[in-house]
Amino acid sequence: AQTVTQSQPEMSVQEAETVTLSCTYDTSESNYYLFWYKQPPSRQMILVIRQEAYKQQNATENRFSVNFQKAAKSFSLKISDSQLGDTAMYFCAFMKQWTKGAQKLVFGQGTRLTINP
Amino acid sequence: EAGVTQSPTHLIKTRGQQATLRCSPISGHTSVYWYQQALGLGLQFLLWYDEGEERNRGNFPPRFSGRQFPNYSSELNVNALELEDSALYLCASSLVLAGAVEQYFGPGTRLTVT
Repeated sequence: AQTVTQSQPEMSVQEAETVTLSCTYDTSESNYYLFWYKQPPSRQMILVIRQEAYKQQNATENRFSVNFQKAAKSFSLKISDSQLGDTAMYFCAFMKQWTKGAQKLVFGQGTRLTINP
Repeated sequence: EAGVTQSPTHLIKTRGQQATLRCSPISGHTSVYWYQQALGLGLQFLLWYDEGEERNRGNFPPRFSGRQFPNYSSELNVNALELEDSALYLCASSLVLAGAVEQYFGPGTRLTVT
């Protein structure tokens, strides 16, 4: 069974600062995907970024980037130039690879991020 | 393109009753997933339906059940409600296509059991 651990229940930074959210996971699978999802107070889960385990290059999406360390089973999210709209719960999630696409997601406990003006 | 929709937004039931939650996936998506987000327990996988079949089930008792209809919409039923069933229930949908791994989430149904 896979497990995902987010060790930071809450974080708070000032607007425009850079913040890094930590995530570690445990799996015996060699092919999988990792995701960061954002859940603002509106409750709508939004995909922030995804990483394929077979790719060595770290994924980036505008101000969001990841540091994927496969051997260490670590997958951190860096938010640069943080904005008030980044305030949300952030979930790290794991998905086994399947030939037909998506499978169930295994989520971490979440990190509540607050961006202060 | 319409996103994943869920109904109702809120549902209040008393212990022992049954609750029915509904989900309509994005057009063209055939897989539907249900997750429970209970306070302090994070997001837990409940059920996965694809092409009308149950593909996988999380570690939940049998009183949690569901189905998927020919139009790929889905229904989650919770029988004999218990207080700890109070949670936000999220539905997600995805394509069934190699490499299409993103799940798109609905806004959720908040179930309160009193």
